[in-house]
Amino acid sequence: LAKTTQPISMDSYEGQEVNITCSHNNIATNDYITWYQQFPSQGPRFIIQGYKTKVTNEVASLFIPADRKSSTLSLPRVSLSDTAVYYCLVGGSGGKLIFGQGTELSVKP
Amino acid sequence: EAGVAQSPRYKIIEKRQSVAFWCNPISGHATLYWYQQILGQGPKLLIQFQNNGVVDDSQLPKDRFSAERLKGVDSTLKIQPAKLEDSAVYLCASVPTRSSYNEQFFGPGTRLTVL
Repeated sequence: LAKTTQPISMDSYEGQEVNITCSHNNIATNDYITWYQQFPSQGPRFIIQGYKTKVTNEVASLFIPADRKSSTLSLPRVSLSDTAVYYCLVGGSGGKLIFGQGTELSVKP
Repeated sequence: EAGVAQSPRYKIIEKRQSVAFWCNPISGHATLYWYQQILGQGPKLLIQFQNNGVVDDSQLPKDRFSAERLKGVDSTLKIQPAKLEDSAVYLCASVPTRSSYNEQFFGPGTRLTVL
């Protein structure tokens, strides 16, 4: 299973766009890239998933370059409530998920 | 739609005692996972069930941990005897039967403190 590397922490201010980049150099052909969000005292929550190029939903966008060795989660105009830990995972569709340490995002007023 | 239910939410025990956690997945979700999340780390998969069968328990410490899902619905995770290093949040997650996404639905977790 592909291993991911992402920053331990990031700081931002309300209203800014936040981009969190994840490296997954040995991603397999059938692996998808999935991002989860976790608030304190809650279980992780699915944000977005993609295979290549760009995926957008009501919460975030996911940018994946052609070589798929990295991906960037983009959160538009963050608010204080976006303060959370964000996990990048790679794996086959419906397969086992391996969580790394995640990126702790802190949004300040 | 009701989410994944877990109980208890909190449990404090002394080392060498036994403890059990209960999970009721979302109705119709055939796949169920148990994770252990130590403070400051990401969730670590302990065991995966497909209906009432075990798919993956490679990371379950079988000398002290056990889990069952007898009727393919709710599940119980047991630790006997507990060690200090078992202090963590135990998360349960379930997945729809035919999902093309890696979207697991997590419960709120049970926070275990072993003294």
